[in-house]
Amino acid sequence: DQQVKQNSPSLSVQEGRISILNCDYTNSMFDYFLWYKKYPAEGPTFLISISSIKDKNEDGRFTVFLNKSAKHLSLHIVPSQPGDSAVYFCAASADTDKLIFGTGTRLQVFP
Amino acid sequence: GAGVSQTPSNKVTEKGKYVELRCDPISGHTALYWYRQSLGQGPEFLIYFQGTGAADDSGLPNDRFFAVRPEGSVSTLKIQRTERGDSAVYLCASSSAGTTGELFFGEGSRLTVL
Repeated sequence: DQQVKQNSPSLSVQEGRISILNCDYTNSMFDYFLWYKKYPAEGPTFLISISSIKDKNEDGRFTVFLNKSAKHLSLHIVPSQPGDSAVYFCAASADTDKLIFGTGTRLQVFP
Repeated sequence: GAGVSQTPSNKVTEKGKYVELRCDPISGHTALYWYRQSLGQGPEFLIYFQGTGAADDSGLPNDRFFAVRPEGSVSTLKIQRTERGDSAVYLCASSSAGTTGELFFGEGSRLTVL
């Protein structure tokens, strides 16, 4: 039972444009959501997070939106840069510190 | 060290052998996690330590898997009678108390069971 789903395995975006990565979840007890970025042969690194009491959190070029009624969150990257090319994982927790990860979306930003 | 350190980075073993994977967390981090990532999948939770004790081991797939953290710092994940299906990247992460959800990951140990 996949509680956190990333239905797009890959996304290709031109440099300078917006990248939108999507994530859906099924567990209504999740109250904290995070995005991690992973380069090949490296561990995932934290990117941005959002609490369930908010619907938006912004950090520079990265913005995460949360729609609790739809159990959906998205990560917007604007403008996209070639260095953003990586695998992005959505993760969620229900106040237990045990993160549940999605299967990831591979983002490629081309010049 | 500055980050989470995992050894070995690569381990190739034969089916049926015993394997140990080591994790050295960020100094001062009380929480330590083990995850497993198979090809094309996201990290899958295995076990979580708070200090020396396993606070949640619900992700360990069976009794061939065991993890310890005897002094509340370094942790060892132990796999007995390895099977080909155990092949994966084993990720360790640590976090400080009070940091909700944000984990700091090591580079992982890639295990290949022939």
